[in-house]
Amino acid sequence: GAGVSQSPSNKVTEKGKDVELRCDPISGHTALYWYRQSLGQGLEFLIYFQGNSAPDKSGLPSDRFSAERTGGSVSTLTIQRTQQEDSAVYLCASSLRSGRYSNQPQHFGDGTRLSIL
Amino acid sequence: KQEVTQIPAALSVPEGENLVLNCSFTDSAIYNLQWFRQDPGKGLTSLLLIQSSQREQTSGRLNASLDKSSGRSTLYIAASQPGDSATYLCAAMNYGGATNKLIFGTGTLLAVQP
Repeated sequence: GAGVSQSPSNKVTEKGKDVELRCDPISGHTALYWYRQSLGQGLEFLIYFQGNSAPDKSGLPSDRFSAERTGGSVSTLTIQRTQQEDSAVYLCASSLRSGRYSNQPQHFGDGTRLSIL
Repeated sequence: KQEVTQIPAALSVPEGENLVLNCSFTDSAIYNLQWFRQDPGKGLTSLLLIQSSQREQTSGRLNASLDKSSGRSTLYIAASQPGDSATYLCAAMNYGGATNKLIFGTGTLLAVQP
């Protein structure tokens, strides 16, 4: 029963290193979202994919953050030169979508807990 | 800019009690409003989605209402159980832009005591 799958579940890395976070959405879901959940900021939108294109990248906090999606399926969020403030839980969600707006609920993975030492 | 607030931040009730969680939003031009629960160390589970044209949605012991004019939504949980203990988040989806992004509240941490 395939829900949204994220890997790794936990990642600890040193400041300055690059990290890649992976999201495998529910099969057939064309929309994919990345959110970040941190103690100080709550849950924040990062980027949205429709298919392989990203019409909304407005939530990415800096140019150290990038994401791609291939084959309309798996997505990778990359953080370069990590900083301590990047420590958070990174959540991925997917949904069916038709049209510009959608009443399809977003289904979330369990997230990747990222800790920057 | 949409801002979503949830009150109370934390709530503890005895098992069997009916309870209401509150969600307020500043921009009434919402497309829908969703309620989620989050268990510790887990992602979010979608509970109810209310479209802007609807006033309420029900699923089992849960009932969510939406009043766009006052910028409020409530989640009513009937006959609470210890398994209901979790963080409950509401999220608004607004018109505008190229996305279906959700704007989340800060959540209500619910503890149901056996």
